[in-house]
Amino acid sequence: AQSVTQPDIHITVSEGASLELRCNYSYGATPYLFWYVQSPGQGLQLLLKYFSGDTLVQGIKGFEAEFKRSQSSFNLRKPSVHWSDAAEYFCAVEETNTGNQFYFGTGTSLTVIP
Amino acid sequence: EAGVVQSPRYKIIEKKQPVAFWCNPISGHNTLYWYLQNLGQGPELLIRYENEEAVDDSQLPKDRFSAERLKGVDSTLKIQPAELGDSAVYLCASRNPNTGELFFGEGSRLTVL
Repeated sequence: AQSVTQPDIHITVSEGASLELRCNYSYGATPYLFWYVQSPGQGLQLLLKYFSGDTLVQGIKGFEAEFKRSQSSFNLRKPSVHWSDAAEYFCAVEETNTGNQFYFGTGTSLTVIP
Repeated sequence: EAGVVQSPRYKIIEKKQPVAFWCNPISGHNTLYWYLQNLGQGPELLIRYENEEAVDDSQLPKDRFSAERLKGVDSTLKIQPAELGDSAVYLCASRNPNTGELFFGEGSRLTVL
């Protein structure tokens, strides 16, 4: 069975500081990987995705993520956090052998302090 | 391009009452998902449709939950009877067949009293 682990339930950073959110997955093959963001009362919005190729992917709002096969990780980063980045962040994995089946982590809640 | 539309946004009912949620996916998205999201948790799959066919409903509590996607477009998720533990957000998503991206609706928040 697939699993997606986000070890940090909650992270607090100062505005302007750098950010890294961790994500590890358990999957036999190379999956498709995603990061989604959810603001309170809203649906999930895609930040970025990795299918193949360059392991460093750029997303919207200045986010990037790096796929590391050896560590089964897909950590999300941002060099300088803005107050509007406060939200819930979800890492997701899509099975590539059965197709179209997504698994989500439990999320990391980000608080940004002035 | 219109996004995934869900209704109602909020629903408060008493236990043992029925409730239904509706989802209109993005045009051309053949794959549709219903997810359950509890407070502080990630989305958990309830059912996945490919066109009008339910291809994965293994996590759907079939004693009280049902879903349909007539004509392979809109979908309805029903709970009858609702229990206190069903209080959650029910998310609908559709998948862009070209990019693989999931697009989510804003969700339907259910409170069972």
